[in-house]
Amino acid sequence: DTGVSQDPRHKITKRGQNVTFRCDPISEHNRLYWYRQTLGQGPEFLTYFQNEAQLEKSRLLSDRFSAERPKGSFSTLEIQRTEQGDSAMYLCASSPAGYEQFFGPGTRLTVL
Amino acid sequence: GEDVEQSLFLSVREGDSSVINCTYTDSSSTYLYWYKQEPGAGLQLLTYIFSNMDMKQDQRLTVLLNKKDKHLSLRIADTQTGDSAIYFCAESGSSASKIIFGSGTRLSIRP
Repeated sequence: DTGVSQDPRHKITKRGQNVTFRCDPISEHNRLYWYRQTLGQGPEFLTYFQNEAQLEKSRLLSDRFSAERPKGSFSTLEIQRTEQGDSAMYLCASSPAGYEQFFGPGTRLTVL
Repeated sequence: GEDVEQSLFLSVREGDSSVINCTYTDSSSTYLYWYKQEPGAGLQLLTYIFSNMDMKQDQRLTVLLNKKDKHLSLRIADTQTGDSAIYFCAESGSSASKIIFGSGTRLSIRP
């Protein structure tokens, strides 16, 4: 399968714990995006990388959130000191040129 | 700010055409999209249109864009049960640094 992959697919954690998600984009896609989707809503943009450079961050990305793409390939999204409001589906997308974004299956986070 | 709005639900009879409507506020939108999300699945890019076009057709799908009114529609001809899903309208600017999504329209098909 050559699509965008995300790991884990589901994560249950207790409030206050740190979690890290991984995204592997489609090979040779230099753009990578993170979005968050809550129940009944469309995805909301969190951040965007071109190669290893993080070029844009949403105001939704509080200082508890950090994302990296160290070698311009896979990316990680870390949430520190999780809160119940962080419960959502975290989606990763990649793109060769920007306007066509291909989404992965998502990581569903539940914070108890 | 940027906003995309669409109705929450649409019910159509199998075999009829479905028309899902969307309005957006950003006059600098360059790309407009329709994504499909089935239960438990990720987002699938159905089609997109550049803002300098007013129509795009792809098999059973027809996208119409009225840039003056900032109105986008998706027509699905001969709707089938497999078309049951949530359809998201979305837009992005020329840099395509992010996509702004609507809240989705849930399409249900009745026999």
